[in-house]
Amino acid sequence: DVKVTQSSRYLVKRTGEKVFLECVQDMDHENMFWYRQDPGLGLRLIYFSYDVKMKEKGDIPEGYSVSREKKERFSLILESASTNQTSMYLCASSNGGTDTQYFGPGTRLTVL
Amino acid sequence: QKEVEQNSGPLSVPEGAIASLNCTYSDRGSQSFFWYRQYSGKSPELIMSIYSNGDKEDGRFTAQLNKASQYVSLLIRDSQPSDSATYLCAVLGGSGSARQLTFGSGTQLTVLP
Repeated sequence: DVKVTQSSRYLVKRTGEKVFLECVQDMDHENMFWYRQDPGLGLRLIYFSYDVKMKEKGDIPEGYSVSREKKERFSLILESASTNQTSMYLCASSNGGTDTQYFGPGTRLTVL
Repeated sequence: QKEVEQNSGPLSVPEGAIASLNCTYSDRGSQSFFWYRQYSGKSPELIMSIYSNGDKEDGRFTAQLNKASQYVSLLIRDSQPSDSATYLCAVLGGSGSARQLTFGSGTQLTVLP
């Protein structure tokens, strides 16, 4: 079974803090994705990566950056957290052949 | 702007009935189509994928795709209370390494015992 893990299920941070969200997959997938999910807005793509050290902007990259130094690990960084970044953050991975994405359990981030 | 629209719901059906979930998409170049189920407070899990026109069946679930009409649907037969969840339609577009999924906002299904 594909396993995607995220570093925290719940996280509370203060405005202006730097926040790191980690995602690890164990299936040697090439592609990894970060989404945020908000009520009424659905899942929105923040960034994705199709190879180590490669990254592409999604639909809402502003205020976020990412890092992929190893194939299995994809990090989302909030350089200076703001209250409007309070959300559920979901990581996913896929291989290039099927494009089926498998999701981690999610991190519910609250920025106070 | 690629768009994926789902019937807004919420949708309620009695136990044992057929639940029908619909999805339309705007990008004619879309290649692959997925249905995910998401329970409250959990992450999405894949139910079905479909790539070519017609029907694809997996147990109580049937996905239907009509590329000409840019329409994909999910039928759940013999609905059970455990099927109560939000169902997300996702459409794959783009090309090469830039392929990415666009998700609909979801349809909340409640199956009444």
